[in-house]
Amino acid sequence: NAGVTQTPKFQVLKTGQSMTLQCAQDMNHEYMSWYRQDPGMGLRLIHYSVGAGITDQGEVPNGYNVSRSTTEDFPLRLLSAAPSQTSVYFCASRGPGGGNQPQHFGDGTRLSIL
Amino acid sequence: GESVGLHLPTLSVQEGDNSIINCAYSNSASDYFIWYKQESGKGPQFIIDIRSNMDKRQGQRVTVLLNKTVKHLSLQIAATQPGDSAVYFCAENQDMRFGAGTRLTVKP
Repeated sequence: NAGVTQTPKFQVLKTGQSMTLQCAQDMNHEYMSWYRQDPGMGLRLIHYSVGAGITDQGEVPNGYNVSRSTTEDFPLRLLSAAPSQTSVYFCASRGPGGGNQPQHFGDGTRLSIL
Repeated sequence: GESVGLHLPTLSVQEGDNSIINCAYSNSASDYFIWYKQESGKGPQFIIDIRSNMDKRQGQRVTVLLNKTVKHLSLQIAATQPGDSAVYFCAENQDMRFGAGTRLTVKP
């Protein structure tokens, strides 16, 4: 089983460039989310979606856009990259049962903004 | 805001010893808790979960204890092995927040 797949695994951008981080899951999960992980700060929720066509903001949404046109895909867009967005980004999905299910994570995208 | 946190950032144990990783939470409305393991270069991986109507749950070599009175949960790993070396996170379902994690290092 592929689970949650993130691409690319690594990326270097210049300040001001735009980019889309891809996330796909093959488990037919309605709930998907994006986190960023910075040293000493754990995982912080950026955006999440409870189903196709529905997205909502998490703890740190500024500078990021998301859309959910299909159940499988949940891309994260950086419209104008800033050095503060240098981080490791994780996508996750969760099965039915509301919040009482663990999330399945991808292996992350390591993003550096110069 | 309310958040999940951990008592210790690092823990070093000898191979074969038992490990205990602690976590404090603030949101009394949380009713589901999860422990994840994150190995270097990988995403967090589910280990074990517990619902608030339970005090203890056991898995293979792992046990989670929940104390709702003091809003504390712990992860116990029996007979710790080198492959257990990783960062361990607790998470709760209300705020969807994670603590900074505890890095477990197992010495041979």
